[in-house]
Amino acid sequence: NAGVTQTPKFQVLKTGQSMTLQCAQDMNHNSMYWYRQDPGMGLRLIYYSASEGTTDKGEVPNGYNVSRLNKREFSLRLESAAPSQTSVYFCASIRGRRDYGYTFGSGTRLTVV
Amino acid sequence: GIQVEQSPPDLILQEGANSTLRCNFSDSVNNLQWFHQNPWGQLINLFYIPSGTKQNGRLSATTVATERYSLLYISSSQTTDSGVYFCAVVKTTDSWGKFQFGAGTQVVVTP
Repeated sequence: NAGVTQTPKFQVLKTGQSMTLQCAQDMNHNSMYWYRQDPGMGLRLIYYSASEGTTDKGEVPNGYNVSRLNKREFSLRLESAAPSQTSVYFCASIRGRRDYGYTFGSGTRLTVV
Repeated sequence: GIQVEQSPPDLILQEGANSTLRCNFSDSVNNLQWFHQNPWGQLINLFYIPSGTKQNGRLSATTVATERYSLLYISSSQTTDSGVYFCAVVKTTDSWGKFQFGAGTQVVVTP
């Protein structure tokens, strides 16, 4: 049982390049989330998908797009990377309402130079 | 949006000491959880506690929803307790899992 799997674990991009961060869960969870973590700021929600077929903006969506490909997979795309997007990105999932625990992936450390 | 403030920002403990971490939030919530991020970056859920008191081993938590704060107690601290502790809340009117995180309390437990 792998839980939440994020790929890649590390990535260095040049300014203006694009890339997609992948997230997959094998727990049959309905809701999935993308967060970014910057030093001293905790985690901030970028986008989330409450159920398959729906996506909504979080607190810091600018510069990102998402796709809920199916129930298992939720990807995060940077179309034109900027140094301000240097961060650690976490994907998380829960089954649904009254599911008390988030399950987090292990994170993707992204550096934009 | 809802504001979440954690204190203290940093805490250094000697092994065996007790400590209290605090989380204040600015609006009514239907979901409050405490998370621990270990030194390797892994995030683990500790408690779901929108109100009341819970205990799990050496850790316990209390939330007083009417006064908008939550406390996390660490007793007889061990070096494995080191890391960052986050409080995260969901505003009552928001989607269930749409958490707002505090900035965290960095805990270092020394041998």
